[in-house]
Parts: sequence; structure tokens; C-alpha cells
Amino acid sequence: GAGVSQSPSNKVTEKGKDVELRCDPISGHTALYWYRQSLGQGLEFLIYFQGNSAPDKSGLPSDRFSAERTGGSVSTLTIQRTQQEDSAVYLCASSLAGVRETQYFGPGTRLLVL
Amino acid sequence: SQQGEEDPQALSIQEGENATMNCSYKTSINNLQWYRQNSGRGLVHLILIRSNEREKHSGRLRVTLDTSKKSSSLLITASRAADTASYFCATDNRQGAQKLVFGQGTRLTINP
Repeated sequence: GAGVSQSPSNKVTEKGKDVELRCDPISGHTALYWYRQSLGQGLEFLIYFQGNSAPDKSGLPSDRFSAERTGGSVSTLTIQRTQQEDSAVYLCASSLAGVRETQYFGPGTRLLVL
Repeated sequence: SQQGEEDPQALSIQEGENATMNCSYKTSINNLQWYRQNSGRGLVHLILIRSNEREKHSGRLRVTLDTSKKSSSLLITASRAADTASYFCATDNRQGAQKLVFGQGTRLTINP
């Protein structure tokens, strides 16, 4: 079966513009995660969706960041009024049930804010 | 503060040698996972060890967990050039939010 997919693979934008990043999790996975990874760094947790529960947004760095998960499947991470410090690789992962299970990662979206 | 901390930050060895990476964490956990990342892209799950387990094997990988010291090690035996990658440990917090916290990673280079 297909793995986690993300689009676009790369995104270059100008400071102040809004961007939308998309994640298609593995079919049947109820949990979905977004992470951010700056160059040479570890993963920074952003947000976690689990089924129909309210998402855990505790990792979102500012109110410019938001995410949705429609129909319990596809998720969109939106960054408004992008800043240069938003430049990073944004990784999406899904798991069958929750944080205690293996997470399957997408290839990531590399965002560059000029 | 960071839950998982890998040590060393970078490791360079000759092909055929064994590579050992360590991870320390701060809180009580349900499980600890090791992931591999090539070229700054998506991570691949390697192995999951639960808090009531002390050692686990998968092919050339051996993971140990010492909950009394809040530490884990990943051993790769008979290393190959293709093992060159970054390796991350990730932990959950038994009493905290439902999320994994990743360390900064160990950059492993296998020299042919």
C-alpha cells in the first residue's frame, strides 16, 4: 500500500506570503503528526491529530501556524505571513493508533522563505 | 527541555566496524524508538523497545534500554557504507502529552 505522501516536495516563497503544505497519511491510520526540522537539527513537534479528538496544538510556534485534518484523513499545515525563520523541512507522519506505535514518515516539504 | 539526547553528535568509523550510539532522556516513558534519516528527508522506523524490555534485536541492530539510568543504546554491527545516515531516538512521556520527542540525532558516517 502507499506510504505517507506530502506535497509540494519543495516550496520557495517570499517573506509575508502564506503557504499551505499537504499531507496524505496511510489509509486507516487514525493518528497524524506534523514536525519541523531545521538544518542539522532534530525534529520539533508541531501538532498531533488523533481520530475525532481535539488536536494537540502545543507545539505550534506562533498563531501564524495552523493545521486542519479533514474527514480524518488529509491534513493541511498553513503558515501565514511567512518569515525567514520558518525555513525548514516540514515532516508529516501517521500511525495506526497513537504515539506508542511506530510512526511512518512522509518525505517532507522543504520550505525556503526568501 | 529536550527529552532525548543522542551521544555522540557525530561518529565516523570504517566499514565493517561496529557503531554504538547512545540516547538519554529525562522522564518516565512507555517506549523508546530509534529512527534513521537519510539526506534530511523522511525518517524510517528502525526499532521500538518498550519500558519493560531490556534488549531487542533486529538484524544487525541491537537496542538496549536501561530505565534506571534513563538511557538507551543502538548498536549497528558489521557496518556498511549504506548505514551512513542520521539516527534519532524518540520517547514518549508516560504521564505527559501524547507526542514523541526526538533528540538532535547522531550523524553516522561509514568510510569504505
